[in-house]
Amino acid sequence: GAGVSQSPSNKVTEKGKDVELRCDPISGHTALYWYRQSLGQGLEFLIYFQGNSAPDKSGLPSDRFSAERTGGSVSTLTIQRTQQEDSAVYLCASSLPGDRGYTFGSGTRLTVV
Amino acid sequence: AQKVTQAQTEISVVEKEDVTLDCVYETRDTTYYLFWYKQPPSGELVFLIRRNSFDEQNEISGRYSWNFQKSTSSFNFTITASQVVDSAVYFCALTGPYNTDKLIFGTGTRLQVFP
Repeated sequence: GAGVSQSPSNKVTEKGKDVELRCDPISGHTALYWYRQSLGQGLEFLIYFQGNSAPDKSGLPSDRFSAERTGGSVSTLTIQRTQQEDSAVYLCASSLPGDRGYTFGSGTRLTVV
Repeated sequence: AQKVTQAQTEISVVEKEDVTLDCVYETRDTTYYLFWYKQPPSGELVFLIRRNSFDEQNEISGRYSWNFQKSTSSFNFTITASQVVDSAVYFCALTGPYNTDKLIFGTGTRLQVFP
């Protein structure tokens, strides 16, 4: 597709359930980022994938959060045993190698009830 | 460590007023990149500008202009003759010279333009 695609756009889940958020980057973009934006807050870095390099997981807030990227393309962010404080918009971005043109998806709004 | 500070949490103006959004950054890198993004109420992040540290020329794009000053580590954004459609949250961001560097965001400035 022409842009970064994220699904679902909205997700409501019960506390304690696991959720999976998907990001489909722009074709050819080897760099992929996940950010979290809590209500009224800035963007918090979560994890970064670059090609075949080991991902930078330094922003993941707890071991309940994990992410993988299959075949250097689609990425899935998994949150296990969700908590109410996990409620936020999760944004994905991708870029070409060596480029600084980050394109963001529309995000997934996660609500934990 | 890298840091981006947007001290203005919220700004309200009336249409046609000029408004400047401040951005101050910290980095030890000599090569770095600065960005501004717009986030309208719909939620998507819209890229506005990217500037590398070696290019201190100010830039103008229509009603938008950017003032990059390395001496004060600032990259301020001015909207001239603001319009209601400019109402959004604006983020300043910074990244370093390497592909593996993260994009670090400020906390954003919410701009409300009233008719």
